[in-house]
Amino acid sequence: AQTVTQSQPEMSVQEAETVTLSCTYDTSENNYYLFWYKQPPSRQMILVIRQEAYKQQNATENRFSVNFQKAAKSFSLKISDSQLGDTAMYFCAFSPYSGAGSYQLTFGKGTKLSVIP
Amino acid sequence: ETGVTQTPRHLVMGMTNKKSLKCEQHLGHNAMYWYKQSAKKPLELMFVYSLEERVENNSVPSRFSPECPNSSHLFLHLHTLQPEDSALYLCASSQDSTGVTGELFFGEGSRLTVL
Repeated sequence: AQTVTQSQPEMSVQEAETVTLSCTYDTSENNYYLFWYKQPPSRQMILVIRQEAYKQQNATENRFSVNFQKAAKSFSLKISDSQLGDTAMYFCAFSPYSGAGSYQLTFGKGTKLSVIP
Repeated sequence: ETGVTQTPRHLVMGMTNKKSLKCEQHLGHNAMYWYKQSAKKPLELMFVYSLEERVENNSVPSRFSPECPNSSHLFLHLHTLQPEDSALYLCASSQDSTGVTGELFFGEGSRLTVL
């Protein structure tokens, strides 16, 4: 079974600064996907960024980037130029790649990020 | 409407009531999910339907009963719940299984309080 650990229950960052959220996972799979999802207060959870384990290059999406360390089973999210709209719960998630038929997305407990004006 | 919509947004029920949560997706996706979100706990996958067939059932108590009449609609029927069932229930959909692309599209959730 896979596990996902987010060791920072809460974090805060000044507007326009950079913050890094940590995530570690445990799996025996070799091929898998990793994700960061964002859940703003009272709003829908949305996908922020996705990383395929077979790709060595770290994924980036505008101000969001990841530091994927496969050997260390670490998957951190860096948010640059933080904005007030980044205030949200952030969830790290893992999905094994088995083609069709895999529906298990394992989530961490989340990190509550507050961006301070 | 677009995306995934859930109704009701808030529900308060007694332990002997019977109620239902509804989810509708307008994305043409093939898979739909129910998740339970409790404070300080990871999201718990409850049920998955793919092409209207249940493909996952993660040891959920029988007081929760899912129904998927077609690929766009998903229900969660609730009866004789316990106070510990109070939580945010999230519906999600995906184009295919999570093992292919992994992206889930979530609704805003139904906040359930059991008295």
